[in-house]
Amino acid sequence: IAGITQAPTSQILAAGRRMTLRCTQDMRHNAMYWYRQDLGLGLRLIHYSNTAGTTGKGEVPDGYSVSRANTDDFPLTLASAVPSQTSVYFCASKETGGNTEAFFGQGTRLTVV
Amino acid sequence: GQQVMQIPQYQHVQEGEDFTTYCNSSTTLSNIQWYKQRPGGHPVFLIQLVKSGEVKKQKRLTFQFGEAKKNSSLHITATQTTDVGTYFCAGLPDTSYGKLTFGQGTILTVHP
Repeated sequence: IAGITQAPTSQILAAGRRMTLRCTQDMRHNAMYWYRQDLGLGLRLIHYSNTAGTTGKGEVPDGYSVSRANTDDFPLTLASAVPSQTSVYFCASKETGGNTEAFFGQGTRLTVV
Repeated sequence: GQQVMQIPQYQHVQEGEDFTTYCNSSTTLSNIQWYKQRPGGHPVFLIQLVKSGEVKKQKRLTFQFGEAKKNSSLHITATQTTDVGTYFCAGLPDTSYGKLTFGQGTILTVHP
């Protein structure tokens, strides 16, 4: 079934540890996004990529990095996790041209202790 | 940078009452999209508005795009318990490339 997959589903992480959240899509979408969702703050854009090989910063990029080596994968890395990064993380993808919808993964619930 | 503000943050209604959420952008948008997130789920696309002043309907849901293409609204007539969830608007500053920026969302609770 075509779609977008995130892994892991949930994770408890010790502060200071490095963690990579995985995101893979098989729809051949050019644009991919990482959001974090916190109560009262909605979906905040962390990083995005308009096409393979390019990335850009969203509104809350500090403490996170991304790469886009190919069309399908868009991993998000926390170099040294802090408790304020406890959140639900959503990956999304969409076509860049025209008026197209974004498809979201199921989310990763991350707790940093 | 582009900001998308959404109000109210929370809305509690009795089943059968109407509900409206409003979305305002600091910049002119090429289009605006609406998404619904059920409790424990992920955002799912509802609709997209492109034209100035556009109005679209999906059964009991009515979506409007402002004349200046900087604001939008979602109105639900006669809410049902199946309407519960968080409703997000999302704006794109241009048609090709850009950051898909979401509003803070409105959490709707429907009491039976």
